[in-house]
Amino acid sequence: GENVEQHPSTLSVQEGDSAVIKCTYSDSASNYFPWYKQELGKRPQLIIDIRSNVGEKKDQRIAVTLNKTAKHFSLHITETQPEDSAVYFCAASQRAAGNKLTFGGGTRVLVKP
Amino acid sequence: GAVVSQHPSWVICKSGTSVKIECRSLDFQATTMFWYRQFPKQSLMLMATSNEGSKATYEQGVEKDKFLINHASLTLSTLTVTSAHPEDSSFYICSARVPDRGQIEQFFGPGTRLTVL
Repeated sequence: GENVEQHPSTLSVQEGDSAVIKCTYSDSASNYFPWYKQELGKRPQLIIDIRSNVGEKKDQRIAVTLNKTAKHFSLHITETQPEDSAVYFCAASQRAAGNKLTFGGGTRVLVKP
Repeated sequence: GAVVSQHPSWVICKSGTSVKIECRSLDFQATTMFWYRQFPKQSLMLMATSNEGSKATYEQGVEKDKFLINHASLTLSTLTVTSAHPEDSSFYICSARVPDRGQIEQFFGPGTRLTVL
């Protein structure tokens, strides 16, 4: 089955700096890659996603890049703010597997004012 | 749109008892729902895929007789933790796909925190 690795596990940045989280996946058939933000005790919230026919997608301060050949994708957050502090999860899925999501281990991001 | 609710939001039970958790899609019909378990400071692990009108599909290592899933209608799936033990204490989250969005994006419920004493 699919295996998703996520790095780093913790990330501390100064407010205004950029944050980058990287994920690798094992199954080349995976074709959908969402990113979720989860605050303590809350549900995961989709912040951006990308499909395998696209290399990059941007939404205001958030961008995701996908390298299908290398089987890795990254989340970029620019101009970080204290409210960006949370745990971020990447995930991968494929239609052939019923669109089940396989999650990375998570990255705890702390934005210091 | 695409709202998923769960009930209860938290539950405390004694060891050996059974607990039922409900997952509802409020503004859409979901033929498929997913159940995840999340231990403290860990990632979400898929337990099973719940299919309306048929048996659930369990992930490897998940005991189907312990975690009973019933998807009796297009808006409701239930997870029953039978004979719960302290090691079953966890955050249980369901999700559902919205059919008219190409069956890809999943919307998550708020989660149910189970504590077994």
